[in-house]
This record gives sequence, structure tokens and C-alpha cells, in this order.
Amino acid sequence: NAGVTQTPKFQVLKTGQSMTLQCAQDMNHEYMSWYRQDPGMGLRLIHYSVGAGITDQGEVPNGYNVSRSTTEDFPLRLLSAAPSQTSVYFCASREGTGTALSGYTFGSGTRLTVV
Amino acid sequence: KQEVTQIPAALSVPEGENLVLNCSFTDSAIYNLQWFRQDPGKGLTSLLLIQSSQREQTSGRLNASLDKSSGRSTLYIAASQPGDSATYLCAVRRTDKLIFGTGTRLQVFP
Repeated sequence: NAGVTQTPKFQVLKTGQSMTLQCAQDMNHEYMSWYRQDPGMGLRLIHYSVGAGITDQGEVPNGYNVSRSTTEDFPLRLLSAAPSQTSVYFCASREGTGTALSGYTFGSGTRLTVV
Repeated sequence: KQEVTQIPAALSVPEGENLVLNCSFTDSAIYNLQWFRQDPGKGLTSLLLIQSSQREQTSGRLNASLDKSSGRSTLYIAASQPGDSATYLCAVRRTDKLIFGTGTRLQVFP
């Protein structure tokens, strides 16, 4: 079972460049989300989606863009990379929405460095 | 605003000890609480999921308890092993958001 797949695993960007972090899940989960993990800050929610065509902002959305055209994929776009976006990015998915009681499944992460 | 705190931030114990990791949260209106393990440079692995209506969940040497009214959860690890060395994260779910604590870094030495 593939679960949640993130690509690439590592990326180095120059300030001002744009890129897309890919996330795909094969569990038919309705809910998908993006987190960033920084030392001393824990994991913080960037954007999330409760289903295809629906996205919403989390705690730290600035500088990031998302779309959800299919159930399986939830790409995260950095529009103009800044050094403050150097972080480890995790994609997570979950079955159902609302009061559905399932837990979250996480991908293995993308380590991004902006120079 | 929901805040999740984990104590201690770091813990070093000899192999074989039973240990308790603590997680507290400020808003008791949660759907569930999930404990994760994270190895260095790796992703998060789900250990246990406790629904808001439950008091505890067990998986092998791990036992997690939940006291929603007091905003506390504990993760009990029995007979610790060096392979248990990792960072342990708790996270509470409210509506469509999962809020994390900053973790407890555990080292079990032989």
C-alpha cells in the first residue's frame, strides 16, 4: 500500500523561484492537508481540503497556493520562494469529513531549502 | 485557540524502564487525539488514536489514556527498548484541523 506519497524528497531553491510540491494518496481519502515543521515551532497547518474543488487556509497560508482537482492529488505551490519558507513539508490525508472519526496518515516529507 | 503542550521536551532512560509521556490541551472540545512517532529525518507514524468518548487505547507495549475534561493524555511505554528512541508527538483534532504539540524526544540507551 503506497499511502501518502510526496515528491520530491529534497529540494533547493533560489529566492524568488517557484515550485510545486506534489502529494498523492491512494486511499480515496476526502480530506488532505499540508503542514510545515520547523524547529521549536512544531507542525503548523498551511492549507487543507475537505474534497475535490474545496480548499481552505490553515494557520500559515501566506506565500502558498493549493488546488484540489482530483480526490487523489493535492499539490502545494510556492509562488516566490523566500528563505523563511525553508522547512520540512508534510502532506497528510484522512478519511471523511465533519465528525468522521478516522486518524491521519502522513507522507514522508519534503525537505526544502531556500537560499 | 487550542494549544497543545508536551512534557517533558526530552527524556533519556535506560533500557527496560516503563515511562510516561504527557500531553495537555487547553480546549476540551475535541473529536479525538492521536499519538505519532517521528524518527530523525522521517515522516510521522501513527501509534494510537483515541476518540473523545474513549478513555484509553492499547497497542502492544503502548497504552494511551485520555481525560478530556481535564485536557490531558498520557502515552505509557512498557519495557522500553533502544528501538523506541524517537520523537513522540500528540495531536488533537477539532473540526477539520489537527493541532500538534512540540513533541517529546525520547532516548533509550542500552
